[in-house]
Amino acid sequence: AQKITQTQPGMFVQEKEAVTLDCTYDTSDPSYGLFWYKQPSSGEMIFLIYQGSYDQQNATEGRYSLNFQKARKSANLVISASQLGDSAMYFCAMRDNFSGAGSYQLTFGKGTKLSVIP
Amino acid sequence: DAMVIQNPRYQVTQFGKPVTLSCSQTLNHNVMYWYQQKSSQAPKLLFHYYDKDFNNEADTPDNFQSRRPNTSFCFLDIRSPGLGDAAMYLCATSREGLADEQFFGPGTRLTVL
Repeated sequence: AQKITQTQPGMFVQEKEAVTLDCTYDTSDPSYGLFWYKQPSSGEMIFLIYQGSYDQQNATEGRYSLNFQKARKSANLVISASQLGDSAMYFCAMRDNFSGAGSYQLTFGKGTKLSVIP
Repeated sequence: DAMVIQNPRYQVTQFGKPVTLSCSQTLNHNVMYWYQQKSSQAPKLLFHYYDKDFNNEADTPDNFQSRRPNTSFCFLDIRSPGLGDAAMYLCATSREGLADEQFFGPGTRLTVL
C-alpha cells in the first residue's frame, strides 16, 4: 500500500500568490515524522520543513508552512508569496518506525511539479 | 559550510564498464544513504549505512555495491552498468533520530552509452 500520496502531478501559481501542495500519508505508527523537500532542475534535494506526529502546532519556516491535519492524515505544504525560484519538484516524505531497519528510511511521494508564472 | 559532496557531478560510462561514484560528508552523520532517481520519479533507496552496518534494500540489484571505509566517505560501485541504470544518483546523510532530516548531495548524473 502506498504510504505517501501526492495527487497533484503539476501545479501552476502566479508570482506573489500562495499555493498549497497536497500530501496524504498512511501509517499505523503513532510516532512518525513528515518532511517536505524541494528539488530544482539542478537535481539537489533541499529540505524545507518538518512536522512531527506529536507536534501540537503546525510547522513554519519562513514562507513555508505545513497544514497538518492528523485525523485526516494530511500534511499539505503552503508556500506564501510565490517566487520564480520556487519553480521545482516538491516531494513529501515520511519516516516511521516501520520504515525500515532502524527507522532511518524515508518514504517519498511521487512529487508535485510547481511552476511559478511571472 | 558543512555539506554533502558528490563526485563527479556527471559520469558517462559504456555498457558493462564498471563505474564508481563517490560521496563525502563533513556533517559527521552516522547514517549515509544512496538513492537512485530516474526522470520524473521519486528517489528510490538502494542501501544505507548506520556507521559501518550495511543495509541493502530487498529489490536493489546485485549489480550495485557499496563501501564505506570511514565516517566521511561512501562509494557506490556499479559493476556492469546497463542502459536501465542511467539515472541521477543521490547521496544523503542524517543522524538517526526520527525527526532528523536527510541532507542530500548535489547528485551524480550517470549516462550509459
